[in-house]
This record gives sequence, C-alpha cells and structure tokens, in this order.
Amino acid sequence: GAGVSQSPRYKVTKRGQDVALRCDPISGHVSLYWYRQALGQGPEFLTYFNYEAQQDKSGLPNDRFSAERPEGSISTLTIQRTEQRDSAMYRCASSLHPPWVRAETQYFGPGTRLLVL
Amino acid sequence: AQKITQTQPGMFVQEKEAVTLDCTYDTSDQSYGLFWYKQPSSGEMIFLIYQGSYDEQNATEGRYSLNFQKARKSANLVISASQLGDSAMYFCAIRGGNSGGGADGLTFGKGTHLIIQP
Repeated sequence: GAGVSQSPRYKVTKRGQDVALRCDPISGHVSLYWYRQALGQGPEFLTYFNYEAQQDKSGLPNDRFSAERPEGSISTLTIQRTEQRDSAMYRCASSLHPPWVRAETQYFGPGTRLLVL
Repeated sequence: AQKITQTQPGMFVQEKEAVTLDCTYDTSDQSYGLFWYKQPSSGEMIFLIYQGSYDEQNATEGRYSLNFQKARKSANLVISASQLGDSAMYFCAIRGGNSGGGADGLTFGKGTHLIIQP
C-alpha cells in the first residue's frame, strides 16, 4: 500500500516568509509525528498527534513553529517568519497505534528539504 | 529524558563480512523500546528491527540481529554477510515509557555511516 507522503519535497524560501509543510500518513494510522533532521544528524522529535489531538509539542523549538491535524489524517507543519537556522529536512512519520503500544513502529515519509535564504 | 550514543561516525567493511554497529543508551524509564533505522543515500528512513526492554531474547530480522545487553545499556546492530546495498547511514533510536518530556517521540543517535567495499 501507499506509504507516508510529504509535500513539497523541496522548498526554497526567503527569510521572513511563512511556509507550510504537508504530511499524508499511511491510511488508518492514528499516530502522526513530526521530526527535523539537520545534515549529518539523526532526526529530532518536534511534535506528535493522536488522531486530531496534539498530545506532545515539547520538541517544537519556539512559537514560530506550529502543527495541526484537524481531521485526524493529513497534517500541516507551519513555520512563521522563517530564519536561516530553520533550514533542514522535515520528516513526518506515522504509526498504526499510539506510541505506548509495545513494538509500535513509526514509518517515515521522504521528507521536505527546506532551505531558507 | 533519553539519550542515544553511537560512537562510530563511519565504518568501512569488506563485502560478505559481518558488521557490528554500536549503540548505547541512557534512560530512566523501566519500560522502553529500541529501534534501528537505515537511511540510504536516497534519504528515506527504513525501519530495520525493534527490541523491547522486557524482551528476554535478542531480536532478529533476516540478516539483522540485535545484541541487547540491558545491564550495559547497549543495543548493537549486527548485520551478517554484508552486501553492497547495506551501504547507508544507520540510526539507533529509543522510545521511553509515558514519563513525559517527549516520551512519545523517538530519540535518535547521530548515526553511523557504513560503507561496504567490494
């Protein structure tokens, strides 16, 4: 079946602009996660949704970052007033069950590479 | 909070040899899960193997096995009979219990870049 999809795959923007990154999880997956991956590093957790409820946003760097999943499926990560330090790969992942279910695996999308000039 | 340490930034291995990628972790949770992901040059993140903290046996998935030593807090990935297609970045990750502080997400290490030579 179809995996996690993300769009756009690449985004170049100017400093100060807002950007919206989209994630379409695997059909039927209740949990959705956002991560940020800098070059040469492992992914860093940003936020998590269980259905439409944002359960954990402890990893969001500051209040310029926000995320929503209004109907419990597609999610959007929005970065307002982008800065050059926001440049990174933004990855979305989904899992069938909530994270506390034993052996629950997160499946990652291809990511959106964001470059802020 | 959890932490993953991968001490091997890069490794060169001859094709068909076995490979061990090191991973040590730190957590205050009693119940946790350990994951390994592969990231080839194409950039995708591919799940390889999972080990639960209460699992008595080491996890195995095909050519992948996990050498889990709970007392030493290590979860090394072993790849048997390496192939050219195994060349990639490998990330170890941990997910803790519901103790808060980002426990819902995975905490990743910095990765090991594995290159298989013919």
